[in-house]
Amino acid sequence: SQQGEEDPQALSIQEGENATMNCSYKTSINNLQWYRQNSGRGLVHLILIRSNEREKHSGRLRVTLDTSKKSSSLLITASRAADTASYFCATDARGNNRLAFGKGNQVVVIP
Amino acid sequence: KAGVTQTPRYLIKTRGQQVTLSCSPISGHRSVSWYQQTPGQGLQFLFEYFSETQRNKGNFPGRFSGRQFSNSRSEMNVSTLELGDSALYLCASSLKAGTQYFGPGTRLTVL
Repeated sequence: SQQGEEDPQALSIQEGENATMNCSYKTSINNLQWYRQNSGRGLVHLILIRSNEREKHSGRLRVTLDTSKKSSSLLITASRAADTASYFCATDARGNNRLAFGKGNQVVVIP
Repeated sequence: KAGVTQTPRYLIKTRGQQVTLSCSPISGHRSVSWYQQTPGQGLQFLFEYFSETQRNKGNFPGRFSGRQFSNSRSEMNVSTLELGDSALYLCASSLKAGTQYFGPGTRLTVL
């Protein structure tokens, strides 16, 4: 089955710095998405990148996708204390709502 | 539009009991998916319903079941609860394959 897997990083950064997280997956995908979760609450969708896209921006977020390496990265620029959360990547097969999530990256932004 | 709602938010049960969780999707969304989140296994797909039919199913035992009603509201049921069923159960709705919108989750504790 498809699976998104983040590098097992726990990031602790100062407010204003950039945070980068990586994700790798095993099989062909249709989309790759990034979600944020605060303190065991629901997931908030951040950004979706399609398999034929290489880079996408949304506000302070930048996502890249390298299908040849089956990997993606999420960059958060100029981090804020409110960015403190766990970040998950998720992949899905074509026409399928069955998301496969990675283990998540814990990011702590120190004010 | 109102977001995805889940009830109850917290639940405490004892081993052997059964439990029913409810999810109301965003208005107009016909797809509802369920996920289980635990510290050990992470986020795992349970099943997806679309137009009252189960469209995808994850690798969970038959004790986990679900259904969807004509108004797209969905319920999941876990019978004969085990300690390992303690988890955050997340429901997500979507308009089509791709971005999923998650509810706040139901925290189930099995004693």
